[in-house]
Amino acid sequence: AQSVTQPDIHITVSEGASLELRCNYSYGATPYLFWYVQSPGQGLQLLLKYFSGDTLVQGIKGFEAEFKRSQSSFNLRKPSVHWSDAAEYFCAVGYTGNQFYFGTGTSLTVIP
Amino acid sequence: GAGVSQSPRYKVTKRGQDVALRCDPISGHVSLYWYRQALGQGPEFLTYFNYEAQQDKSGLPNDRFSAERPEGSISTLTIQRTEQRDSAMYRCASSLRRHEQFFGPGTRLTVL
Repeated sequence: AQSVTQPDIHITVSEGASLELRCNYSYGATPYLFWYVQSPGQGLQLLLKYFSGDTLVQGIKGFEAEFKRSQSSFNLRKPSVHWSDAAEYFCAVGYTGNQFYFGTGTSLTVIP
Repeated sequence: GAGVSQSPRYKVTKRGQDVALRCDPISGHVSLYWYRQALGQGPEFLTYFNYEAQQDKSGLPNDRFSAERPEGSISTLTIQRTEQRDSAMYRCASSLRRHEQFFGPGTRLTVL
């Protein structure tokens, strides 16, 4: 069965520090990969997506993610975190159907 | 509209009552999806439509849940005889292109 794992439930970083959020998936073929951010009271906003091609993808708000087939991973990174980045982050994968499978999310706290 | 809208944003109901949750997708978006998100979890797929046709309802938990999109635009998710375990955030998403979903703010359902 397909699954998405976000091993870190909660991460705290200092403002200005770098950030990496982990995501692993289980599936035989290469899925479509996404990162969404959810701020309180808001819907899920798409940060970036990977369908094919260059394995390093750039997204909005200075985020990037790298697809590593050998590790079945799609980790999200940001070189310098801002206080406004505090939110919940979800990794999602899509396959040949139209379903998305989401991880359980990583909650990010940014301290001044 | 500019984005996906959902109404009501909050719904409190008593056990045994029926509820109807509405989703208004982005204009022109062909596909519409419903997800349920329990506290501390990622969104879980319920069902999706292409135009007015319900393509996949495999995620609906039981026959108390149903959805429709009669004119290929607005959709309604109906839960009959609500139970406390139905309490969750219900999210709607729409897409024009396959695998790129835009989410609404969600409806927080509380069943007392």
